[in-house]
Amino acid sequence: GAVVSQHPSWVICKSGTSVKIECRSLDFQATTMFWYRQFPKQSLMLMATSNEGSKATYEQGVEKDKFLINHASLTLSTLTVTSAHPEDSSFYICSASIPGQAWNEQFFGPGTRLTVL
Amino acid sequence: SQKIEQNSEALNIQEGKTATLTCNYTNYSPAYLQWYRQDPGRGPVFLLLIRENEKEKRKERLKVTFDTTLKQSLFHITASQPADSATYLCALVGGSNYQLIWGAGTKLIIKP
Repeated sequence: GAVVSQHPSWVICKSGTSVKIECRSLDFQATTMFWYRQFPKQSLMLMATSNEGSKATYEQGVEKDKFLINHASLTLSTLTVTSAHPEDSSFYICSASIPGQAWNEQFFGPGTRLTVL
Repeated sequence: SQKIEQNSEALNIQEGKTATLTCNYTNYSPAYLQWYRQDPGRGPVFLLLIRENEKEKRKERLKVTFDTTLKQSLFHITASQPADSATYLCALVGGSNYQLIWGAGTKLIIKP
């Protein structure tokens, strides 16, 4: 099946620094990728939809200047948490679907655990 | 607004029995509904998709039903095993980019 990787799997940073998380589709080209955030014992919250070659579409309440998304190629999307603060500590997960089968299953990365001190 | 509800309490089932999880939704008419499994500290893994014109879908020990009148989907695991213990999430497909709208998930615990 299709594989999505994320890097890093975990990161600890100081408050005020920026952190970049990479999401890669390893064996397929993903025109659309999704970024989620998940707090402990809560559901996945969609942050933004990342489209290759265009600006990301952010969900209501998500600050686009704080969570920068770049989808520069068909296999790579990046999420940069700028000026991170402790409240940004969370589990960040990306997903992608096979082009032309967007209604079908989404393939998720293993997630990135961000801890901001 | 669109809302998906899953039982927030953990479901404890004896090994070998059938586990049944519920997903209810309101203010929405999804064309597709999906079920995922999520283990702690991992991303969700797709299990089954059911379309609005399908009443039932099976895959090995898994069975999903979709009642668009009741606005409900049931997820069954027969002959449950301790390895089936995980959080199970239902999601509706919608939006221009086929975004998934997620339930909060139900934690399933299979006791040996």
